[in-house]
Amino acid sequence: DMKVTQMPRYLIKRMGENVLLECGQDMSHETMYWYRQDPGLGLQLIYISYDVDSNSEGDIPKGYRVSRKKREHFSLILDSAKTNQTSVYFCASSLGTGVPYEQYFGPGTRLTVL
Amino acid sequence: GQQVQQSPASLVLQEGENAELQCNFSSTATQLQWFYQSPGGSLVSLLSNPSGTKHTGRLTSTTVTKERRSSLHISSSQTTDSGTYLCGRQVVGQLTFGRGTRLQVYA
Repeated sequence: DMKVTQMPRYLIKRMGENVLLECGQDMSHETMYWYRQDPGLGLQLIYISYDVDSNSEGDIPKGYRVSRKKREHFSLILDSAKTNQTSVYFCASSLGTGVPYEQYFGPGTRLTVL
Repeated sequence: GQQVQQSPASLVLQEGENAELQCNFSSTATQLQWFYQSPGGSLVSLLSNPSGTKHTGRLTSTTVTKERRSSLHISSSQTTDSGTYLCGRQVVGQLTFGRGTRLQVYA
């Protein structure tokens, strides 16, 4: 059963604290993604990873960094979290970046920064 | 301007009625994917359809690439179809989403 997992599912942090969001996939997919979803703005791409240690900025990378040391794991790191980073974060993976590869999404992490 | 536009923004149906959701995109897509987002927030891929017509269960998607539009038809809607339907246009692996169509189906 193909799966993308995210940990934790819910997280509350104070402004200035560091945040680590983890994502895993069991499909040996090359490409992985981090998105955030905010009301009225839809889903926006933060970072894309084409493979281990091969990461690229998406549309809104400011305030975030990523790490991919193993193909099956992709981490999103917020150094010194800000209140405007309160959001729902989704991780996704795909076999590659060409047609007809679909993206498979994890269940999301709801992050609240106080 | 918005690269992916979905209409209508919301739709209310009686159970058994059909739904037609539209997605227009501003430039060519290599992949077009329809998603369902449950009221709880989880995202499920429904159909990938870069061109032509594709069916799965009660869902039919038609994408006309040169007109930069795609539609999702839901036949015989059920209360469990309620949620938000998102259209995602992909170019070289990067998905750009529309803001979704919120569907409510009443018994």
